[in-house]
Amino acid sequence: EAQVTQNPRYLITVTGKKLTVTCSQNMNHEYMSWYRQDPGLGLRQIYYSMNVEVTDKGDVPEGYKVSRKEKRNFPLILESPSPNQTSLYFCASSLSDAAYEQYFGPGTRLTVT
Amino acid sequence: QKEVEQNSGPLSVPEGAIASLNCTYSDRGSQSFFWYRQYSGKSPELIMFIYSNGDKEDGRFTAQLNKASQYVSLLIRDSQPSDSATYLCAVNPPGGFKTIFGAGTRLFVKA
Repeated sequence: EAQVTQNPRYLITVTGKKLTVTCSQNMNHEYMSWYRQDPGLGLRQIYYSMNVEVTDKGDVPEGYKVSRKEKRNFPLILESPSPNQTSLYFCASSLSDAAYEQYFGPGTRLTVT
Repeated sequence: QKEVEQNSGPLSVPEGAIASLNCTYSDRGSQSFFWYRQYSGKSPELIMFIYSNGDKEDGRFTAQLNKASQYVSLLIRDSQPSDSATYLCAVNPPGGFKTIFGAGTRLFVKA
């Protein structure tokens, strides 16, 4: 089954404790992206990747890191999480770039206390 | 001014009616336009995409794009209670690699 998977689905952590949210797709897509979704603000793009080893900032990259060492994986790293990073996070992938349909993972609900 | 604006709603329509959802965008050079549906607690899923001015129909859904006026709309004909969800408008600015989403419009279809 073609899909985007994320882990963990739910995470409660404390301020400053490094964490990684994994994202994997099995559709051989070139493009992958991370979004956060907050009430009233919609989806905001954090980082995206056009291909292996090629990443760029979205609209809200502060406090996040990403890497794309393999085509199928695109982890999101929070080196020192803060309460304002409490949010619902979605990973998405697309065939080649953002001009095509994006397939979303199930989401990761992160709470930072 | 937000780059992609939508009325947050909620928009309430009776079953069988036409639901009209609107979206405006600020970057005149935007190329691709998408409507995603998101049920509560779920991830967004694509309903329609449109690249050219005019109308595009797919079943009960019609997307309309007017680049001169910088708006894109979604019409849902014969609305069903199962259409109740949040509808997200997404725009792909020039360059092809970013996506800007609107905050979404909540739609309620009353049985």
